[in-house]
Amino acid sequence: AQKVTQAQTEISVVEKEDVTLDCVYETRDTTYYLFWYKQPPSGELVFLIRRNSFDEQNEISGRYSWNFQKSTSSFNFTITASQVVDSAVYFCALSEALIPGANSKLTFGKGITLSVRP
Amino acid sequence: EPEVTQTPSHQVTQMGQEVILRCVPISNHLYFYWYRQILGQKVEFLVSFYNNEISEKSEIFDDQFSVERPDGSNFTLKIRSTKLEDSAMYFCASRDRTHEQYFGPGTRLTVT
Repeated sequence: AQKVTQAQTEISVVEKEDVTLDCVYETRDTTYYLFWYKQPPSGELVFLIRRNSFDEQNEISGRYSWNFQKSTSSFNFTITASQVVDSAVYFCALSEALIPGANSKLTFGKGITLSVRP
Repeated sequence: EPEVTQTPSHQVTQMGQEVILRCVPISNHLYFYWYRQILGQKVEFLVSFYNNEISEKSEIFDDQFSVERPDGSNFTLKIRSTKLEDSAMYFCASRDRTHEQYFGPGTRLTVT
């Protein structure tokens, strides 16, 4: 069975601080995908990143960066120089391989509520 | 850019009534999903649909729930007799063969 643990429930930072959101996962699959989604107060789910289990390179996209460590089953997300607009709930999710015929449902963590104060 | 759409955005219904939530997936996608998010909680998988049949369903998806793809474009979730605990945000998602799921904006269902 797949499981995603986001141990942090709420984080509050002051604008311009860096913040790291933790994600630990469990799966028996050898090929799998990890995701981060942002859910702003308006409620929609905004896709941020997809990473497959064979690619352990860290990724940076603007102020966002992701650290995937297969040895510790973690996929952490860092926001550098946080802004008020980053305030949202952030979900980490896991799916089996995205191949034809695979169901590939997403298993979500409980989410982390990030509040960025001016 | 193509997107998944859902209607209505908010549905209020009385306990015991039937509701149908509608989704229009991205046109060339083959896999379809419904997820549920009770207020303040995590997003939970309900059901996946491929090749005109359910491919997997969760234990939440009991006999009160059904899904249909009636006309090749819409993908619907029906709840036959709503309960208070069905109040939640319902998200539809779709994907093609090898890429991630694209989510719709959600339908907020309120059962009174």
